[in-house]
Amino acid sequence: ETGVTQTPRHLVMGMTNKKSLKCEQHLGHNAMYWYKQSAKKPLELMFVYNFKEQTENNSVPSRFSPECPNSSHLFLHLHTLQPEDSALYLCASSLGTSASYEQYFGPGTRLTVT
Amino acid sequence: AQTVTQSQPEMSVQEAETVTLSCTYDTSESDYYLFWYKQPPSRQMILVIRQEAYKQQNATENRFSVNFQKAAKSFSLKISDSQLGDAAMYFCAYRSGRDQSNYQLIWGAGTKLIIKP
Repeated sequence: ETGVTQTPRHLVMGMTNKKSLKCEQHLGHNAMYWYKQSAKKPLELMFVYNFKEQTENNSVPSRFSPECPNSSHLFLHLHTLQPEDSALYLCASSLGTSASYEQYFGPGTRLTVT
Repeated sequence: AQTVTQSQPEMSVQEAETVTLSCTYDTSESDYYLFWYKQPPSRQMILVIRQEAYKQQNATENRFSVNFQKAAKSFSLKISDSQLGDAAMYFCAYRSGRDQSNYQLIWGAGTKLIIKP
């Protein structure tokens, strides 16, 4: 058990819906990450927060909107998604953003856009 | 730009035998970190082993060890005495150590490891 939880585990939404993914870490970490994992493709880093401040937006479309109210919680707000956005969305956390800190991952949310 | 290549989409091994997963990377940097992550069918990604490029000694964690060939830019993972619980997707990842603010892991596409009982 890595101490990073994600809800919901599965989500099916239409292209006109608005939904949110939630991530919570119980490890006392200061950095949190959103990744997109598509079949047969490398993981794509989407957003990074360090001490609640967004420090990376990896050219992610504006239909994905992150929110980090505190160091333990991270949200990904979704609206007007496209079918190609269907993927596994992984949250991760680490003590800091230095390369020496291990990233701990949550189980992911399997998102299907219809 | 750095890249990570895992040339084996799928590998299978008999239980209790040894298997090696390959990973090559491309970089012009001398200071970096390499990782192997495991993602079982439950989908929770777990760090298996890590290697700092400045260390010549190959990292080892119990049944897992790496063969780090810096000049060849190769970073293979050896799993000894394979167990059913080792079945998973294995991802190789690279991260620059030169710039402490560059926290992006560069990932390979993964190798699916099947353990035959």
